Amino acid sequence: AQTVTQSQPEMSVQEAETVTLSCTYDTSESDYYLFWYKQPPSRQMILVIRQEAYKQQNATENRFSVNFQKAAKSFSLKISDSQLGDAAMYFCAYRWSSGDKLTFGTGTRLAVRP
Amino acid sequence: DSGVTQTPKHLITATGQRVTLRCSPRSGDLSVYWYQQSLDQGLQFLIQYYNGEERAKGNILERFSAQQFPDLHSELNLSSLELGDSALYFCASSVGSGGIPYEQYFGPGTRLTVT
Repeated sequence: AQTVTQSQPEMSVQEAETVTLSCTYDTSESDYYLFWYKQPPSRQMILVIRQEAYKQQNATENRFSVNFQKAAKSFSLKISDSQLGDAAMYFCAYRWSSGDKLTFGTGTRLAVRP
Repeated sequence: DSGVTQTPKHLITATGQRVTLRCSPRSGDLSVYWYQQSLDQGLQFLIQYYNGEERAKGNILERFSAQQFPDLHSELNLSSLELGDSALYFCASSVGSGGIPYEQYFGPGTRLTVT
């Protein structure tokens, strides 16, 4: 069974600084997708970024980028120029390419200090 | 706004009761997923429907059932409710199923409180 581990329950960053959230996963599959979702206090789940395992290039979306290390089964999220609106729970998620269900980590609560 | 709608937003009910949660997917999406978010279990996949047919099942209790109707909206039925069923229930939808890098878009959730 696939598992996703987020070892940092809470993180804190100064506004305008950079922070990296960690995620590791375990799978025997070679083709899969990895995601970061943001859950602000409103509880809405918002997709931040997606990475296809077959792509060597790390995904980027504006201030958000990932460091995908397939051999190490590591998928970290870097947030640059942190803003107050980035404060939220961040969930790492895995999906096998031929399947549909998302397997989530336990989340990292990010606080942004003004 | 993801385009996925869920009703009701909040639901308070007593143990032993039955409730129905409703989800309307984004226009054009054929797949609907149900997830449960609770303090002790985290975010868990419950069940998926694709174009009216059950496609995948996760950690869904036998007291829970779901269906997807011809107009593609879905309902999650929770019966014989227990205190531990209190959670945020999310519906998500996607255009496809398996094999392609589609996105799952989440609704705002239904907060269920069992007293």
